[in-house]
Amino acid sequence: RKEVEQDPGPFNVPEGATVAFNCTYSNSASQSFFWYRQDCRKEPKLLMSVYSSGNEDGRFTAQLNRASQYISLLIRDSKLSDSATYLCVVILGDSGYSTLTFGKGTMLLVSP
Amino acid sequence: GAGVSQSPSNKVTEKGKDVELRCDPISGHTALYWYRQSLGQGLEFLIYFQGNSAPDKSGLPSDRFSAERTGGSVSTLTIQRTQQEDSAVYLCASRREGNTEAFFGQGTRLTVV
Repeated sequence: RKEVEQDPGPFNVPEGATVAFNCTYSNSASQSFFWYRQDCRKEPKLLMSVYSSGNEDGRFTAQLNRASQYISLLIRDSKLSDSATYLCVVILGDSGYSTLTFGKGTMLLVSP
Repeated sequence: GAGVSQSPSNKVTEKGKDVELRCDPISGHTALYWYRQSLGQGLEFLIYFQGNSAPDKSGLPSDRFSAERTGGSVSTLTIQRTQQEDSAVYLCASRREGNTEAFFGQGTRLTVV
């Protein structure tokens, strides 16, 4: 089993739609979780952290389910500008040494 | 600087030549990572530096690849005797201690002809 798995997509949705992505991780000791966004031919950029209690940032909601070892990202009212690849990231380890593992990403295409 | 800086932004080299890619992390960030991304693919982990600890080299694809980090700051990734399959974008990221997010440089696009 891969350490961090995502559905590669693409997810094709119309503007205004709600879309959700999941990401599963294999190591139950993983400590921190993030969603990154990567535009075509650009570097990944942090979209949001994922907290145990769940967190929201505007149209974006992130959830963590430790029991089932997955994180999710919900995007409401999709915009054309949301078209990108969304990467989930898992951190394992303490402050002295920690690995950073990326999923391969889920591509989202929002159409007019 | 304000962000992670990588140079050069683009590099075209002939097969068999050596190349050096540079990463200047955010000041104070103790962790530094190198990744490689081929067109349309995910991030491939190469190497991880954490403070003064021995680096995690488990992702380096062959002994033609090496990296160092001098003084806990700037890092150089060296590829010897480049091959066409080395063509990719090489991304560097840095982060502070603790469970914090990583910040990426804009990458070096390497093309081996």
